[in-house]
Amino acid sequence: DAGVIQSPRHEVTEMGQEVTLRCKPISGHNSLFWYRQTMMRGLELLIYFNNNVPIDDSGMPEDRFSAKMPNASFSTLKIQPSEPRDSAVYFCASSFTQETQYFGPGTRLLVL
Amino acid sequence: GQNIDQPTEMTATEGAIVQINCTYQTSGFNGLFWYQQHAGEAPTFLSYNVLDGLEEKGRFSSFLSRSKGYSYLLLKELQMKDSASYLCAVSPPGGGNKLTFGTGTQLKVEL
Repeated sequence: DAGVIQSPRHEVTEMGQEVTLRCKPISGHNSLFWYRQTMMRGLELLIYFNNNVPIDDSGMPEDRFSAKMPNASFSTLKIQPSEPRDSAVYFCASSFTQETQYFGPGTRLLVL
Repeated sequence: GQNIDQPTEMTATEGAIVQINCTYQTSGFNGLFWYQQHAGEAPTFLSYNVLDGLEEKGRFSSFLSRSKGYSYLLLKELQMKDSASYLCAVSPPGGGNKLTFGTGTQLKVEL
């Protein structure tokens, strides 16, 4: 079975550019999560969706970050404009109702 | 709010047993997860404890004491491949999806 799919796996961009990260959850899962991981702050939840509806976006750092889930099989996390402090690994995870979360391979973002 | 504490680093010898502790202070609590994360990879699920006591799963066991706000992950017969970061995470009351992760314990297994 395919796990959570994320793209791109690596992204290098310049400050001020727009970055779009993509995620395809495991088929049949109805919850999707976006996390950011850095050495300093560890793994932080940015936002999560239940049945395509955003439930809690309190972890989104600021207005430069936005996330959408137009259907059950696709979500995006967008940063506009990007800044060097956004450099991190961004993980997408999915689960079925309140069960275990399964993580994608992550997108390694470097903003120069 | 949630506060989760884990040791930053631990070192152990191949074949030995190691215990990784996790303490938490939360405004509400349902259960505790343990995840393993190898360098450069995604976290992978190891265990989930809701009730007090020990859950055994092969070489790995996880213990929870709700009254003490304490959990540990026990790894037996350590192998080199067990070198990784181990993350504990708590889930809110009523179950729910919003996990709060600790900063992880980096375990190094040596010969």
